[in-house]
Amino acid sequence: DTEVTQTPKHLVMGMTNKKSLKCEQHMGHRAMYWYKQKAKKPPELMFVYSYEKLSINESVPSRFSPECPNSSLLNLHLHALQPEDSALYLCASRYPGQGYGYTFGSGTRLTVV
Amino acid sequence: KNEVEQSPQNLTAQEGEFITINCSYSVGISALHWLQQHPGGGIVSLFMLSSGKKKHGRLIATINIQEKHSSLHITASHPRDSAVYICAVPTIYNTDKLIFGTGTRLQVFP
Repeated sequence: DTEVTQTPKHLVMGMTNKKSLKCEQHMGHRAMYWYKQKAKKPPELMFVYSYEKLSINESVPSRFSPECPNSSLLNLHLHALQPEDSALYLCASRYPGQGYGYTFGSGTRLTVV
Repeated sequence: KNEVEQSPQNLTAQEGEFITINCSYSVGISALHWLQQHPGGGIVSLFMLSSGKKKHGRLIATINIQEKHSSLHITASHPRDSAVYICAVPTIYNTDKLIFGTGTRLQVFP
């Protein structure tokens, strides 16, 4: 298995909803990433987990809550989002450290209404 | 000045043409990544290179560390190559953080 699987592919949620994005990989990668990407912009790093521990939080608002329950799974819990949070959310994974490439998922297209 | 700059920003080509996309960076790096993103889609990692040249199918990536420059070449371009191509380099203080170029939007017409 050489893929990063993200679910759902599309999500529409209201500003008072609670939802979760899921990311899964079975390549043995121990670093996992959440990125946010707005249209025609490069991805912006949100969170990094290394060996299931949060190693980077890029000052992301608390309405986004990451979770890494095991080495294969990464969740992003969403609560009380704003319309400006509508974006493509990408998950990626790799072996930690220098010299390793990334595997990206196909993303979740989130619309907040 | 951005730390990673790409040129051109937009590129159109006829099917079969040879394509070159350039990436210049101003920071010291351990590796450079070339990524591909189709419209509305996820990102595919094409190459990671720290020296020399790599080839995969019709794609060739080169890097010159001294000149802080990399190029991505596509030979015999095809409409399915139409995508945004992004180069990215890790920051010098944390290899988990990538600095992305602004991307090159390529359209190949039949």
